Amino acid sequence: EVQLVESGGGLVQPGGSLRLSCAASGFTFSYSAMTWVRQAPGKGLEWVSTISGSGVSTYYADSVKGRFTISRDNSKKTLFLQMSSLRVEDTALYYCARSSSCGGDCYRPDSWGQGTLVTVPS
Amino acid sequence: QTVVTQEPSFSVSPGGTVTLTCGLTSGTVSTNYYPSWYQQTPGHAPRTLIYNTNIRSSGVPDRFSGSILGNKAALTITGAQADDEADYYCVLYMGSGISAFGGGTKLTVL
Repeated sequence: EVQLVESGGGLVQPGGSLRLSCAASGFTFSYSAMTWVRQAPGKGLEWVSTISGSGVSTYYADSVKGRFTISRDNSKKTLFLQMSSLRVEDTALYYCARSSSCGGDCYRPDSWGQGTLVTVPS
Repeated sequence: QTVVTQEPSFSVSPGGTVTLTCGLTSGTVSTNYYPSWYQQTPGHAPRTLIYNTNIRSSGVPDRFSGSILGNKAALTITGAQADDEADYYCVLYMGSGISAFGGGTKLTVL
């Protein structure tokens, strides 16, 4: 059974940094792309970033490009999201998701964690 | 910038059929966008329903189906049940590793 457990969320002041982690089990982590998706309180889902299984390829939404860095440690089956220059609008529940390939550099989330909450107060 | 569009809300009677759509503010959704659909109930993580336009994820009842209708991706629920009341999101592949979710549709079953 695929299990994804996010951690590292919390309260951080605007301009601050935070590192999220996602511990994976139940599948071959190094073979799977991984994605971060966030959901602001009462709002919809927003794709944030995807990383290939090898970690060589990374992709970012324009809203976080240059501020967030996705990475992974395949030996520890862990996904990371380093967030810096945080803004009020980054407040959200951050989900990590295993992602399957739909061809080329197309990936779709298929299994989801329960999320970790990041709060950047105004 | 092209935005993925969904109906904000929809209602369906128990046993009825409803079709939710996923479009673009500019352009036509085709299978090349590899549309996927997710269901989310309050307090829970999303659940994958459909991927690659029309492939049901494991364990998803066959009353859920995906297609392309005109210039949009579509999710049809046939024989709606009370526990289908949820938020439904589509996601499209926009190219160069980028994906985009629609704003979601809140489905009410009453």
